[in-house]
Amino acid sequence: NAGVTQTPKFRILKIGQSMTLQCAQDMNHNYMYWYRQDPGMGLKLIYYSVGAGITDKGEVPNGYNVSRSTTEDFPLRLELAAPSQTSVYFCASSPDPNYGYTFGSGTRLTVV
Amino acid sequence: KQEVTQIPAALSVPEGENLVLNCSFTDSAIYNLQWFRQDPGKGLTSLLLIQSSQREQTSGRLNASLDKSSGRSTLYIAASQPGDSATYLCAVNQGAQKLVFGQGTRLTINP
Repeated sequence: NAGVTQTPKFRILKIGQSMTLQCAQDMNHNYMYWYRQDPGMGLKLIYYSVGAGITDKGEVPNGYNVSRSTTEDFPLRLELAAPSQTSVYFCASSPDPNYGYTFGSGTRLTVV
Repeated sequence: KQEVTQIPAALSVPEGENLVLNCSFTDSAIYNLQWFRQDPGKGLTSLLLIQSSQREQTSGRLNASLDKSSGRSTLYIAASQPGDSATYLCAVNQGAQKLVFGQGTRLTINP
């Protein structure tokens, strides 16, 4: 039972480069989320999805894009990386928010 | 706007002590509250989930309470062990995909 799997675990990007952070869950959860965690700060919601084909913006969506073509996968795309996007990114899923969330182990991204 | 505060930001205690971590929130209209543990460089591990209609939840040496009317939750850890050292985060679920996190309490248990 893998739960929520994020890849890569670490990545260094140069300013202006693009990349996709992968997130997959094997629990058949409808709800999936992307958060970022900056040092000393709580997690902030970037984007979320309530099911395949449905996505919406969270608190800090600028500079990111998402897609949800399947129930299992919820990739996060950075198009033009900026130093402000240096952070740890967490993907989470839930069968229903009333039943709590399961988080992945995170992707630590540095933009230089 | 919901604000979640965790006090203290850091706590260091000797092994074997019982301890309490605090979480307060400004808007009592919540669906549930979840406590997580985060080890350095790792993801979040769910510890306890308390629904808004519940007063407390227990798992092993952990007990979490919720007083929605006063906007407070506590996480009680009994007989602390060095392996309990981690950052503890609380998060309130306001529905509409709004999970609001506190900044965490960094706990160190000294052998």
